[in-house]
Amino acid sequence: SQQGEEDPQALSIQEGENATMNCSYKTSINNLQWYRQNSGRGLVHLILIRSNEREKHSGRLRVTLDTSKKSSSLLITASRAADTASYFCATEGSGNTGKLIFGQGTTLQVKP
Amino acid sequence: NAGVTQTPKFQVLKTGQSMTLQCAQDMNHEYMSWYRQDPGMGLRLIHYSVGAGITDQGEVPNGYNVSRSTTEDFPLRLLSAAPSQTSVYFCASSYETSTDTQYFGPGTRLTVL
Repeated sequence: SQQGEEDPQALSIQEGENATMNCSYKTSINNLQWYRQNSGRGLVHLILIRSNEREKHSGRLRVTLDTSKKSSSLLITASRAADTASYFCATEGSGNTGKLIFGQGTTLQVKP
Repeated sequence: NAGVTQTPKFQVLKTGQSMTLQCAQDMNHEYMSWYRQDPGMGLRLIHYSVGAGITDQGEVPNGYNVSRSTTEDFPLRLLSAAPSQTSVYFCASSYETSTDTQYFGPGTRLTVL
């Protein structure tokens, strides 16, 4: 069963605009991670936010976590054409299950 | 460091054939895992390992076997390939657990005819 679900499934914006992707999950978590995948490549880790954190920044990335709503959002500010990729959230249920479960991803297209 | 390497990059099998997808990492990571990625399905966890000699099932383990005889290697075996196993397979590793940053290999694109 899919733990995380991203929304929207696809997003198309102009360069310079901000992009927001959302992730919802079903069970309590230890932390939530966001990954990026360029077409035909492996996934690359972007940012990890722990269950006791509410917001985290890394460069142009801002991640929020609302454990009461079981949701997270990834904001990419001032997007660039190079940000075109698929973005995935990943979670492990609390209790150290050992299983990192990915959502279906959001495909972002940034038009120059 | 080479990071996580996977071989082969591409493979075509006939139904019923067997093969092993290789995965190796040189970062001395304890945790390793295999995922398959199908269009519209995201990544699904097949098997994972928390250390040498220890493996466990993920979300979609049927039709796949794994072993972890060394820290570095985590091969994935398809015993009798089926068209439903056509997919892109990714191996990943992390320092200790599934909650650590995962480092992914470049993937193996498998087609089963």
